[in-house]
Amino acid sequence: EVQLVESGGGLVQPKGSLKLSCAASGFDFNSYGMSWVRQAPGKGLDLVADISSKSYNYATYYADSVKDRFTISRDDSQSMVYLQMDNLKTEDTALYYCTVGLHWFAYWGQGTLVTVSS
Amino acid sequence: DTVLTQSPALAVSPGERVSISCRASEGVNSYMHWYQQKPGQQPKLLIYKASNLASGVPARFSGSGSGTDFTLTIDPVEADDTATYFCQQSWNDPYTFGAGTKLELK
Repeated sequence: EVQLVESGGGLVQPKGSLKLSCAASGFDFNSYGMSWVRQAPGKGLDLVADISSKSYNYATYYADSVKDRFTISRDDSQSMVYLQMDNLKTEDTALYYCTVGLHWFAYWGQGTLVTVSS
Repeated sequence: DTVLTQSPALAVSPGERVSISCRASEGVNSYMHWYQQKPGQQPKLLIYKASNLASGVPARFSGSGSGTDFTLTIDPVEADDTATYFCQQSWNDPYTFGAGTKLELK
């Protein structure tokens, strides 16, 4: 059974930092690209960042809204994916989901809530 | 960016057939995918690449379309299908989601 467990969310002030983690299990993690998708309260879904597998040189993608502020990474030895979020803005407030896949998102975690507020 | 337009809401009776539409502002080939999100839960993949049923999804769900017009069909609808349905394209950068269609059961 595929499991994705996110952690690291919380309340942070504007311009602060947070690092989200996602522990993956139940599938061949090394072979899949991974993505972070967020959902602001009562709103729709937005792809934030993704990272390819080693086979594709760990290529990364960032939405324009987070470029130069967020960094996605992965540790294949631990089946973990991370999202380092710096210089956070109030508009980054959302539930952040860890997902499997790059073009469509086959599995989703329960999400971790990030609230940016003073 | 490619804008995906969905009707905000639909109401149907159990046992009926329902079609949920998604129109793209530019062509997306067949790279349209559908998700179901129940209240308080994470989204779940239903259909990928327009018409392919995701693993474990009941055959009551089906997808069709290509280019700019796509449809998710549920036949027959069951009470448990109350949810918001999102479409998502992965042909044009950046990948985008529709705003969702909220399906309510009468």
